[in-house]
Amino acid sequence: QKEVEQNSGPLSVPEGAIASLNCTYSDRGSQSFFWYRQYSGKSPELIMFIYSNGDKEDGRFTAQLNKASQYVSLLIRDSQPSDSATYLCAVRGSQGNLIFGKGTKLSVKP
Amino acid sequence: DTAVSQTPKYLVTQMGNDKSIKCEQNLGHDTMYWYKQDSKKFLKIMFSYNNKELIINETVPNRFSPKSPDKAHLNLHINSLELGDSAVYFCASSQDWIWKGRNSPLHFGNGTRLTVT
Repeated sequence: QKEVEQNSGPLSVPEGAIASLNCTYSDRGSQSFFWYRQYSGKSPELIMFIYSNGDKEDGRFTAQLNKASQYVSLLIRDSQPSDSATYLCAVRGSQGNLIFGKGTKLSVKP
Repeated sequence: DTAVSQTPKYLVTQMGNDKSIKCEQNLGHDTMYWYKQDSKKFLKIMFSYNNKELIINETVPNRFSPKSPDKAHLNLHINSLELGDSAVYFCASSQDWIWKGRNSPLHFGNGTRLTVT
């Protein structure tokens, strides 16, 4: 069974701090990795995708991938209260669908 | 607006009833999906269709039947609704299938909150 694991949290950080969200996956053959943000009562929205080892930066967000360790992370710099949401890690399965982790709930305190 | 749209947004019904949820995407995507998000917020794939062809059919009761009249539509029909079917159902679409592109994200509809009483 291919799985994606995330710490469910909640992860609480003060405003302006760096929030670090982590994810591990079981399928060593996975090629594409995604981070989605989901506000309460809303649909998941894509934040970033990454497929090469290393870091990928987009504004305040940095995705990090280590395929050898089967580990993906998302860093949010200068966290804002509006970043408070559930962050879903997803890995592309062999049949094209995305396999989601259970999400980490982030709370940014003003 | 270009989007994935699903209707209805809310669906409240009694056990034993049959209901449908409709989904349409005007993004020109090849693949469409149905995901179920339970009360613990876990998103799980139910079905996917690529160009009207069923690709993924996870372990879902056969009371759930997807229908794809064309590649822009994927509807979900549920027979004999049970209390445990209460959840949020998300339709999604993506541009590519497995060999065409690695990076295709899924674009989600706004969800249908199904409550079975």
